[in-house]
Amino acid sequence: DSGVTQTPKHLITATGQRVTLRCSPRSGDLSVYWYQQSLDQGLQFLIQYYNGEERAKGNILERFSAQQFPDLHSELNLSSLELGDSALYFCASSVGNVGRGNEQFFGPGTRLTVL
Amino acid sequence: DAKTTQPPSMDCAEGRAANLPCNHSTISGNEYVYWYRQIHSQGPQYIIHGLKNNETNEMASLIITEDRKSSTLILPHATLRDTAVYYCIVRVGSRPDSNYQLIWGAGTKLIIKP
Repeated sequence: DSGVTQTPKHLITATGQRVTLRCSPRSGDLSVYWYQQSLDQGLQFLIQYYNGEERAKGNILERFSAQQFPDLHSELNLSSLELGDSALYFCASSVGNVGRGNEQFFGPGTRLTVL
Repeated sequence: DAKTTQPPSMDCAEGRAANLPCNHSTISGNEYVYWYRQIHSQGPQYIIHGLKNNETNEMASLIITEDRKSSTLILPHATLRDTAVYYCIVRVGSRPDSNYQLIWGAGTKLIIKP
């Protein structure tokens, strides 16, 4: 158990809909990262927050947005969903930034299926 | 930005050492090398990371060449539970100590055989 929790575990929805994925980092970790993993693909970095502020941005679509709240939990919002958004979405946390050699701890992921 | 190259798959006999190579020929002097693994569709698990020196922990050893252009992850006594996809990744970023992200490739699928 990494100490990172994600809810829900599974999500099935229809095209055009909007969903929210939630992540609670390990106690004491200030950074939260979101990744997308499509079937049999590597992880695609989406976005990072550090202590409530956006710190780094990867290949995140404009239809997607995220935020980190004062209690450090984070939410990833996916809107106008398309079939291609079906994927595993992982959240990870670390004490600081990976630039300082901080390892990331990953949650179990949310499997999103768009029908 | 540094990228990594790994063989797509490898086999190893149970009980033997598994040596997973990684090339990162464009790595910069202040970029760390990280190794993670992913078992089935579980969340990736951190294994080890290093900058210049070789590193060892309870899971594995990391050998980094002197020119830092390649590294090898060593699982000293592989078990069936080590079957997973192993990712060698480096950080990329535009400013010191911020806006860093890890670029994940396809990894190496390691199969441990009885």
